[in-house]
Amino acid sequence: QKEVEQNSGPLSVPEGAIASLNCTYSDRGSQSFFWYRQYSGKSPELIMFIYSNGDKEDGRFTAQLNKASQYVSLLIRDSQPSDSATYLCAVNSPVSGGYNKLIFGAGTRLAVHP
Amino acid sequence: DGGITQSPKYLFRKEGQNVTLSCEQNLNHDAMYWYRQDPGQGLRLIYYSQIVNDFQKGDIAEGYSVSREKKESFPLTVTSAQKNPTAFYLCASSVTSGRAGLKGEQFFGPGTRLTVL
Repeated sequence: QKEVEQNSGPLSVPEGAIASLNCTYSDRGSQSFFWYRQYSGKSPELIMFIYSNGDKEDGRFTAQLNKASQYVSLLIRDSQPSDSATYLCAVNSPVSGGYNKLIFGAGTRLAVHP
Repeated sequence: DGGITQSPKYLFRKEGQNVTLSCEQNLNHDAMYWYRQDPGQGLRLIYYSQIVNDFQKGDIAEGYSVSREKKESFPLTVTSAQKNPTAFYLCASSVTSGRAGLKGEQFFGPGTRLTVL
């Protein structure tokens, strides 16, 4: 069974700090990695994706990927109370016909306090 | 506006009833997906469809059925055989061709919250 593991949290950080969210995955064949943000009662929103080893920055968000360690992380700089949400890590899993499906972790709940 | 719509937002089902959840997209995406989310858990794949008139079971298909008669539409029926259907149901879509298709990005509708009375 292909798995994606995340610490459920809550991860509590003060406003202005860096929040670090981590994710490990089991399928070495995975090539694409996604971070979704989900506010309570709402649907997931794609905020970052990364395909290559190393770092990818977009505004206050940085995704980091290490395929050798099967590890992907999300850093949120200058955390704001509006960042308080559950962050879902998703990893692609190739299926027949050259298509993909996503395997989701259970999510890490982030709480940013003023 | 391009996007994915789901209806209804809230749905109540009595024991023994079948109910159908609607999902429509105007993004011209080939692939569509149905997920179930329970409190404190991640998304679990129910069914997916890569092309019209074709669909595959996901990890938890028992008690559910789907159809894909049009590219834009992928309705999910929760049958009476699904013993614990109370959950948040999410529909998603993605492209399947080109660079984006190989990467597998999925975009979600707003969800339907189903409660069994």
